[in-house]
Amino acid sequence: AQRVTQPEKLLSVFKGAPVELKCNYSYSGSPELFWYVQYSRQRLQLLLRHISRESIKGFTADLNKGETSFHLKKPFAQEEDSAMYYCALLPQGGSEKLVFGKGTKLTVNP
Amino acid sequence: NAGVTQTPKFRILKIGQSMTLQCTQDMNHNYMYWYRQDPGMGLKLIYYSVGAGITDKGEVPNGYNVSRSTTEDFPLRLELAAPSQTSVYFCASREGTYGYTFGSGTRLTVV
Repeated sequence: AQRVTQPEKLLSVFKGAPVELKCNYSYSGSPELFWYVQYSRQRLQLLLRHISRESIKGFTADLNKGETSFHLKKPFAQEEDSAMYYCALLPQGGSEKLVFGKGTKLTVNP
Repeated sequence: NAGVTQTPKFRILKIGQSMTLQCTQDMNHNYMYWYRQDPGMGLKLIYYSVGAGITDKGEVPNGYNVSRSTTEDFPLRLELAAPSQTSVYFCASREGTYGYTFGSGTRLTVV
């Protein structure tokens, strides 16, 4: 069965420090992977798709098929990055629904 | 382009009351979803639809019903509200492999 694991429920860093939010997945095929961000009391927004290989708000994420990971990284965290982050997987073949991890709450302290 | 629109934004219900949470999308997406989000529990899928006239249960469908008579609308019905249904409800839509577009949520309290 497909599964997405975000091992850290809470992550706290200081402003300017590097941040890495971990995401591991369990899937035998080639999935599409996503990171979503939810700022306080707002809707979830798409942050990154692995297929587009882009950098949004200074965040990047690399798909490591060997380690089945899709960790989200930013070299210098900002206070406005404080939010809930969800990793999600879409099985190949246009499956019906995304599989979400339970989320990591990132707090960036001044 | 409004995306996914949810109404109402907030609602307080008494135990046993009924209500419908509305969700409309203007992107002509075939796939639509209802999630609930409880503190510290992530997102749980209630129901989803792959197109007009087709719906299916998610992880936590008990106490809810849905219908999909048009591509645009995917209302969620609570028939007999219970305190356990206090949550934030998100509707989402998708097309292809782009990922979900979420609505802004409905914060529901059952007292």
